[in-house]
Amino acid sequence: GAVVSQHPSRVICKSGTSVKIECRSLDFQATTMFWYRQFPKQSLMLMATSNEGSKATYEQGVEKDKFLINHASLTLSTLTVTSAHPEDSSFYICSATRDRGNYGYTFGSGTRLTVV
Amino acid sequence: QKEVEQNSGPLSVPEGAIASLNCTYSDRGSQSFFWYRQYSGKSPELIMSIYSNGDKEDGRFTAQLNKASQYVSLLIRDSQPSDSATYLCAVGGSGTYKYIFGTGTRLKVLA
Repeated sequence: GAVVSQHPSRVICKSGTSVKIECRSLDFQATTMFWYRQFPKQSLMLMATSNEGSKATYEQGVEKDKFLINHASLTLSTLTVTSAHPEDSSFYICSATRDRGNYGYTFGSGTRLTVV
Repeated sequence: QKEVEQNSGPLSVPEGAIASLNCTYSDRGSQSFFWYRQYSGKSPELIMSIYSNGDKEDGRFTAQLNKASQYVSLLIRDSQPSDSATYLCAVGGSGTYKYIFGTGTRLKVLA
């Protein structure tokens, strides 16, 4: 159990365009999902906490107008990178928890974004 | 600021040896502790969780927690080349389900 699906796994887009990444919990209801970004050889950086039916909570330094998060249902959260630039190229990973995090997060498989 | 610290490594051990990975944390109110394994280019996967002082064993993995000293460790017995990965320590605080991750320790098991 506790499977999180993330799509797409890889995306290449042109500078200035927007990219949407989906994160789905397949066999449980995730009241909370998290979005991380990871640059090469660096650790996970939490971008925002996504709560179903309410606005996301963004970490300091993360532009909420650039990284739009929608958590419209208990099984789906989306991250949209708007007006992407090459410096947004990174590995984006979502995670979900069904039990207030008491038993660990389940991570999606990640999305490798390359902006050219 | 709450912090989780790990030695970045790489930690190199020969095949069959015990690999010992350590993590310290700053928030004394932390309640839950996790070890994740992350292969290059992949997302993290949960290996172990521990919540109370002492040892917890699961197959070749043993997690050790000492809340008084604020450290948590992971032992990997009979290390295999397939264990070569980055190991992330994550700590959850009291009343929150937002974890803080360490920067990870890169483990290399030499065949």
